[in-house]
Amino acid sequence: KAGVTQTPRYLIKTRGQQVTLSCSPISGHRSVSWYQQTPGQGLQFLFEYFSETQRNKGNFPGRFSGRQFSNSRSEMNVSTLELGDSALYLCASSLEASPYNEQFFGPGTRLTVL
Amino acid sequence: GNSVTQMEGPVTLSEEAFLTINCTYTATGYPSLFWYVQYPGEGLQLLLKATKADDKGSNKGFEATYRKETTSFHLEKGSVQVSDSAVYFCALTSNAGGTSYGKLTFGQGTILTVHP
Repeated sequence: KAGVTQTPRYLIKTRGQQVTLSCSPISGHRSVSWYQQTPGQGLQFLFEYFSETQRNKGNFPGRFSGRQFSNSRSEMNVSTLELGDSALYLCASSLEASPYNEQFFGPGTRLTVL
Repeated sequence: GNSVTQMEGPVTLSEEAFLTINCTYTATGYPSLFWYVQYPGEGLQLLLKATKADDKGSNKGFEATYRKETTSFHLEKGSVQVSDSAVYFCALTSNAGGTSYGKLTFGQGTILTVHP
């Protein structure tokens, strides 16, 4: 069974631009979570989607948004990019959002904002 | 809110040495506990998990026991190898509902380097 895939793997943008990252979960997984990883803040939860609905959101500004499609694929969007948005963005999927179901992570998208 | 605290790193060991990485937590509800590992340039891989008090998770020679009385989930391995060099994250998720959906709370990570 294929793992979680994320595209693109690397991205370079300039301040003020917007970016869309894509995540395809493991087949059959309905929950998709997004995380931001930076050296200073570590791993921080962005949001979680289940059956096309956002059920949970972390403490990030409204410039960060996402959505999930009927096939469980998910995208996240960051508008008006800032230098501090440079990070590794990780997507994770699980069968459901039960605490007993582990999350499986993709390789991440490395975003650099210049 | 939930939080996870890991021991300060980095940790440097010689091959075949004993490894302990401390992890303590605070959580609402009844958390499940996880250890994830991240190799350079890769995403996170689940190493082991425990879903209730006194459970022991184990995988690839690594072990951790869910200690509710001390709110701890320390990672141990009896004999490390060079290939174990990576960043290790302790994490939890709780069943408090609502704001816990799909959310893992991570520790800050511990860099482990094993020398031959």
